Amino acid sequence: AQSVTQLGSHVSVSEGALVLLRCNYSSSVPPYLFWYVQYPNQGLQLLLKYTSAATLVKGINGFEAEFKKSETSFHLTKPSAHMSDAAEYFCAVSAGWGNEKLTFGTGTRLTIIP
Amino acid sequence: DGGITQSPKYLFRKEGQNVTLSCEQNLNHDAMYWYRQDPGQGLRLIYYSQIVNDFQKGDIAEGYSVSREKKESFPLTVTSAQKNPTAFYLCASSPGLAGSYEQFFGPGTRLTVL
Repeated sequence: AQSVTQLGSHVSVSEGALVLLRCNYSSSVPPYLFWYVQYPNQGLQLLLKYTSAATLVKGINGFEAEFKKSETSFHLTKPSAHMSDAAEYFCAVSAGWGNEKLTFGTGTRLTIIP
Repeated sequence: DGGITQSPKYLFRKEGQNVTLSCEQNLNHDAMYWYRQDPGQGLRLIYYSQIVNDFQKGDIAEGYSVSREKKESFPLTVTSAQKNPTAFYLCASSPGLAGSYEQFFGPGTRLTVL
């Protein structure tokens, strides 16, 4: 079975500062990993995904994440926060290998301080 | 434009009434999913379908029912047996076994039971 833990339900950063959102996973098989973003009262939008290719994955809006197998982590980063980054972020894991079910973390709400 | 539509955006019902939430996709995806989102709990899988005329229970299927008579449609019925139906409901789809395992989300329906 797969599981995801997102450390920190709320994160605040100043505009222009580094954004770091943490995600640790548990999986009995090589995982596929995803970061999604959700703006208020909207659906989820894919930011980036890891599917066993390059361990450093670049996504939309300047975000990137690094897959570290030894640490079972897939943390999301952005060098310089923008006000438009304020949203809720979800990490998710899939078993892959023909199993498309996703298991989501509980989410991290990112606030940007002007 | 290809995508997933959910209707209505907001739905109000009296306690004890069944209600059906619509989900339609024109992405030609084989798999479709229904999630429930509550504050602080992330997304929880209600039902999913990998092919027409077949569906499986997710983690919280009690009090819900679905059908998959057409590839593009996956309606969810919230029955009176669901003890706490007020929530944000998200529909998603994915390409299928030969795809990239990412899920594409609709805009969601917010259900309030009075």
